[in-house]
Amino acid sequence: GAGVSQSPSNKVTEKGKDVELRCDPISGHTALYWYRQSLGQGLEFLIYFQGNSAPDKSGLPSDRFSAERTGGSVSTLTIQRTQQEDSAVYLCASSLELAGDFLFTDTQYFGPGTRLTVL
Amino acid sequence: RKEVEQDPGPFNVPEGATVAFNCTYSNSASQSFFWYRQDCRKEPKLLMSVYSSGNEDGRFTAQLNRASQYISLLIRDSKLSDSATYLCVVLSTLRGNNRLAFGKGNQVVVIP
Repeated sequence: GAGVSQSPSNKVTEKGKDVELRCDPISGHTALYWYRQSLGQGLEFLIYFQGNSAPDKSGLPSDRFSAERTGGSVSTLTIQRTQQEDSAVYLCASSLELAGDFLFTDTQYFGPGTRLTVL
Repeated sequence: RKEVEQDPGPFNVPEGATVAFNCTYSNSASQSFFWYRQDCRKEPKLLMSVYSSGNEDGRFTAQLNRASQYISLLIRDSKLSDSATYLCVVLSTLRGNNRLAFGKGNQVVVIP
């Protein structure tokens, strides 16, 4: 079946521009997660959605970052006024459901990522 | 101190040999632990969860030591296809929020 898809696969932008990254989770998955992987760094958790709701936005690096999810499906991560330090691979993952208090124990399936380069 | 620490390696392993590596975590209240595998320029994929009693999946064995706050992964009879980066992932609750913390990974290179 279809996995998690992300678009675009690559994005090159100029410093100061806004970018929008898209994630299509696996159909029926209620939980959706955004991560960032910078060169030489580990995977950094950004935000998760339970349905259309994002209970905890504290993982977003700055107020230039925002994310939304509509219809319990597609999510977009928007970065305003991009900076060079925003350059990274942005990964999206989805899981079938959030299992009670242990929100992340369900298997997460990752998309291929969007490679963002800010010049 | 980083929340999850791993020795990046690389761990050069002769084919057929056994390799083991640890991951340490700083939050003693961490709840769940996982090993993910990431191939070069690919997305991470769940390899196995780590249970308190230790668990085995084929050639892979994972163990958790809560007292010393580390988890381990052992790969027996290494195959060339095991070459990848193995990410240690820890679920913790910080200030009432659940979040996953990822280590930078242990890079394994299996040599023919």
